[in-house]
Amino acid sequence: AQSVSQHNHHVILSEAASLELGCNYSYGGTVNLFWYVQYPGQHLQLLLKYFSGDPLVKGIKGFEAEFIKSKFSFNLRKPSVQWSDTAEYFCALKGGATNKLIFGTGTLLAVQP
Amino acid sequence: DTGVSQDPRHKITKRGQNVTFRCDPISEHNRLYWYRQTLGQGPEFLTYFQNEAQLEKSRLLSDRFSAERPKGSFSTLEIQRTEQGDSAMYLCASSPSGMTEAFFGQGTRLTVV
Repeated sequence: AQSVSQHNHHVILSEAASLELGCNYSYGGTVNLFWYVQYPGQHLQLLLKYFSGDPLVKGIKGFEAEFIKSKFSFNLRKPSVQWSDTAEYFCALKGGATNKLIFGTGTLLAVQP
Repeated sequence: DTGVSQDPRHKITKRGQNVTFRCDPISEHNRLYWYRQTLGQGPEFLTYFQNEAQLEKSRLLSDRFSAERPKGSFSTLEIQRTEQGDSAMYLCASSPSGMTEAFFGQGTRLTVV
């Protein structure tokens, strides 16, 4: 069965701090991996995605994620967070022939000015 | 606005009543998805359409739930004989054929009292 685990449920950082949110998945085949963000009162938006090729993917707003196949991980990083990054972040997986996304439980990030 | 549109945004209903939600996908997106999200959880897949064909259904979609996409454009999700456990945010997403990335609407929040 496919699953996604996000270890940090709630993260509080000060502005300019570095961010790393953990994401591990369970699936033995080829995967597509995503990070979505949900700002307060807004819809889910795609931050970045990995399909194949370079395991280090860059997304919008200075975010990046690294796919490490041996660790079944796809951690999200940002070197310096801003107050406007306050949001909930979801890691998601699409595996095999299915068209559905499997989401993690999300990480709520609060950035203090 | 060319995003995914959902109606209504909020719905309060009494237990046992039927409710219907509508989703208008991004124009020319032939794939449409329904997800459900409860507090503290990530979105859970319910069902997927390609054009008017319903190609995948989750076990979460009990016989009280039915979804349609009659002309391959908008979709409806109906819940019959609502229960308190149906209270959740119902999300619709769409994507073009060939793309895995899904674009989400703002959701319909259902409260069953």
